[in-house]
Amino acid sequence: IAGITQAPTSQILAAGRRMTLRCTQDMRHNAMYWYRQDLGLGLRLIHYSNTAGTTGKGEVPDGYSVSRANTDDFPLTLASAVPSQTSVYFCASSQGPEGSYEQYFGPGTRLTVT
Amino acid sequence: GQNIDQPTEMTATEGAIVQINCTYQTSGFNGLFWYQQHAGEAPTFLSYNVLDGLEEKGRFSSFLSRSKGYSYLLLKELQMKDSASYLCSAMDSNYQLIWGAGTKLIIKP
Repeated sequence: IAGITQAPTSQILAAGRRMTLRCTQDMRHNAMYWYRQDLGLGLRLIHYSNTAGTTGKGEVPDGYSVSRANTDDFPLTLASAVPSQTSVYFCASSQGPEGSYEQYFGPGTRLTVT
Repeated sequence: GQNIDQPTEMTATEGAIVQINCTYQTSGFNGLFWYQQHAGEAPTFLSYNVLDGLEEKGRFSSFLSRSKGYSYLLLKELQMKDSASYLCSAMDSNYQLIWGAGTKLIIKP
């Protein structure tokens, strides 16, 4: 593979259920990001990781958690889904301080919480 | 607070030129990005400006004025495939991107 992959492509989830969105990159990028995109709003940062082993909160972190055990993977977990978390979720990565800050995006996960 | 403003929607004719404006307010500034996003797809990188002036890349050019907190994306010789949303984003002092809501560009034959 080349770039970023996300899984699943789409999911319908019952409220209250736990869900993990997967993200994997093979570009050896240091920084990774999770965004949500809602109609009429810009991309909003949920969580980020500047390097493996570290994570940080973005603009809208409540209800979400992340981990960064290695360089390639950056899963996003919804502990107990609520309908307001219905959105399209994009994972992205960039080289960060040692290179370019241009972000490369995965294809997205379309999540519907009912 | 931090904010990005850009028009919601623009319409242009195939073969013409269109300019999409963006104004930004951020805590610190480390550059201005433009991304293209086709419906149902992920954003893809178009340009990056960190110094004042015009950067040209084929049919697309991007301009930055740091003193005015202003940028524009110029698209020449418009093609139907340019119909997409164009996202303006500014990098703040923490090297995080602040995103505008995007400008939907409609190209008419």
